[in-house]
Amino acid sequence: AQSVTQPDIHITVSEGASLELRCNYSYGATPYLFWYVQSPGQGLQLLLKYFSGDTLVQGIKGFEAEFKRSQSSFNLRKPSVHWSDAAEYFCAVVPIGGTYKYIFGTGTRLKVLA
Amino acid sequence: NAGVTQTPKFQVLKTGQSMTLQCAQDMNHEYMSWYRQDPGMGLRLIHYSVGAGITDQGEVPNGYNVSRSTTEDFPLRLLSAAPSQTSVYFCASSYRGEQFFGPGTRLTVL
Repeated sequence: AQSVTQPDIHITVSEGASLELRCNYSYGATPYLFWYVQSPGQGLQLLLKYFSGDTLVQGIKGFEAEFKRSQSSFNLRKPSVHWSDAAEYFCAVVPIGGTYKYIFGTGTRLKVLA
Repeated sequence: NAGVTQTPKFQVLKTGQSMTLQCAQDMNHEYMSWYRQDPGMGLRLIHYSVGAGITDQGEVPNGYNVSRSTTEDFPLRLLSAAPSQTSVYFCASSYRGEQFFGPGTRLTVL
């Protein structure tokens, strides 16, 4: 079955430290890949997306993600975390040429220590 | 350009009551969808539509109905509310694979 796994439910980092959030997917072929961020009480905002081409994708707010086909992974990274990055992060996939039926991971909640 | 709008923002229902969550978008997107978000479960697809007059079920459709009479509007109906439907509901529209989310409706069923 198609699925998205975010193995870390909670992550705590100190402000200024680097961050990596993990995402693995299970699909028959490479899907479109997305990372969204959700601040408390808010909707979801797109951070970045991968459709094809360069496997290192740059997004907003200084985030980047790397697609690794061999590992079926799309991990999100940031070199230096800011207190305002505290939020919940969701990885999502949708089949290429499909019906846009997104499958979301269960999310990783990021806490940033001052 | 308002994007995706949802009303109401908050709603409290009693078990057995019915109601409609409204969703509208002004981006002329063909694809729209409804999700529910529950703690620890991410977002789960309830129903989706690929255009006016066309709807289909997602992962968790039971207890919900949808219709799509116009490109702009995609209301979600709860037929007989149950406490298990307490959740935050998000509507989204899509263009070229990217989804644009509304601000959500927080629903409590007592």
